[in-house]
Amino acid sequence: DAGVTQSPTHLIKTRGQQVTLRCSPKSGHDTVSWYQQALGQGPQFIFQYYEEEERQRGNFPDRFSGHQFPNYSSELNVNALLLGDSALYLCASSAMAINQPQHFGDGTRLSIL
Amino acid sequence: GESVGLHLPTLSVQEGDNSIINCAYSNSASDYFIWYKQESGKGPQFIIDIRSNMDKRQGQRVTVLLNKTVKHLSLQIAATQPGDSAVYFCAEIGTALIFGKGTTLSVSS
Repeated sequence: DAGVTQSPTHLIKTRGQQVTLRCSPKSGHDTVSWYQQALGQGPQFIFQYYEEEERQRGNFPDRFSGHQFPNYSSELNVNALLLGDSALYLCASSAMAINQPQHFGDGTRLSIL
Repeated sequence: GESVGLHLPTLSVQEGDNSIINCAYSNSASDYFIWYKQESGKGPQFIIDIRSNMDKRQGQRVTVLLNKTVKHLSLQIAATQPGDSAVYFCAEIGTALIFGKGTTLSVSS
C-alpha cells in the first residue's frame, strides 16, 4: 500500500520564477494538506484541500495556490519565488473525519537561488 | 495566538535509557494531539496520538501523557535505541495541525 508520494524530491529555481509541486495521497485518503518546513523549524500549515476545494488556509500570501484533482491528488503552486521560499514542502493526506492523523510524504526540497 | 512549543531543543541519552520529551501547548480548546518523529531527509512519521478525554495512552515502547490543567504533553520512549534518534514534534489540531519547533533526540551506544 503506497503512502503519500511527492514529486520532485529536489528542485532548484531562481527568484521570480514559478514552481509546481505534486502530491499523491495515501490510498483511501481524500484530503490533502500542504506544509512549509524551514530548516530547523516545525512544519507550517499552508492550506488544505478536500473535494477539490481549498477548505482551510494558513498565513501564507496569495502567491501560494493549490489545486486538487478528482483522483484526490494535489498540486502546490508558488509564483514570484523569493529567497525566503527555500524550504522543504510537505504534503500530508488524511480521510475527511474529525481528528484523524495525517500521513506525510517525504517532501520536496525547494532551493531558490 | 495558537502555538505549540517544546521545552528543550535537544536531548541526549544513552542506549537503553528511557527518554522523556516535553511539550507545552497554549490553546486550551485543542482536543487532539499527535507526536511525530522526523528523521533526516524524511517527512514526519506518526508515532502516537491522544484525545483530550484521555490523560495517558500507550503504544509500543511509547507513552503519551496529557495534562490539560497545565496544558502539557509528554512523550516517553522506553529503552531508547539508536534508531530512535530523530527530531520529535508535538502537534495539536486547532483550526489546522499546528507544530512546535521540535526536540532533537540523540541516542549514543
